[in-house]
Amino acid sequence: DADVTQTPRNRITKTGKRIMLECSQTKGHDRMYWYRQDPGLGLRLIYYSFDVKDINKGEISDGYSVSRQAQAKFSLSLESAIPNQTALYFCATSDTSGRAVNEQFFGPGTRLTVL
Amino acid sequence: RKEVEQDPGPFNVPEGATVAFNCTYSNSASQSFFWYRQDCRKEPKLLMSVYSSGNEDGRFTAQLNRASQYISLLIRDSKLSDSATYLCVVVHYNQGGKLIFGQGTELSVKP
Repeated sequence: DADVTQTPRNRITKTGKRIMLECSQTKGHDRMYWYRQDPGLGLRLIYYSFDVKDINKGEISDGYSVSRQAQAKFSLSLESAIPNQTALYFCATSDTSGRAVNEQFFGPGTRLTVL
Repeated sequence: RKEVEQDPGPFNVPEGATVAFNCTYSNSASQSFFWYRQDCRKEPKLLMSVYSSGNEDGRFTAQLNRASQYISLLIRDSKLSDSATYLCVVVHYNQGGKLIFGQGTELSVKP
């Protein structure tokens, strides 16, 4: 079984709809992240959470919100989807293990299309 | 200007070739550096960390030049399976240890 899972894997929706993307991890990591990837722009950080009570905005948080329901779960919501939110979304996890930053492990991605 | 910039791709090389990717970063406070690999439509995965003294992992060599704020990745004896997008990543701990990704350089190794 995958250590970091994302649901759904693909989603097509319409402008104005509310969408939730979910991420679960079995790695026991404390840190979780949401990124979006667009062609030519690389991965950009939307939100990140260092533990259940610590949530921070990333580079491009406008139009998004998150919820860290438990250490293992981190969901991303688009309250009112718009076409320029069409992208590939990745969840990632990492832990500190005595270092300031460790390798990030990514989920398989969610391909979201907003019509 | 983007904080992390990579060579524009794609790189198309024959099997067995040596290929080098370059990456520059703008924030001198950057403290950790990595190369990630991303196969088409898949998630990024860590390829290797980049250390100040340079480091090698099989056919892959990574180098860091802090004075020039420049990172490189050298792949020797390219294999078909090396075809992927290579992402340069920097981290500065005064921003909470977030990873900053370059836009990626696509490599295609041909028979």
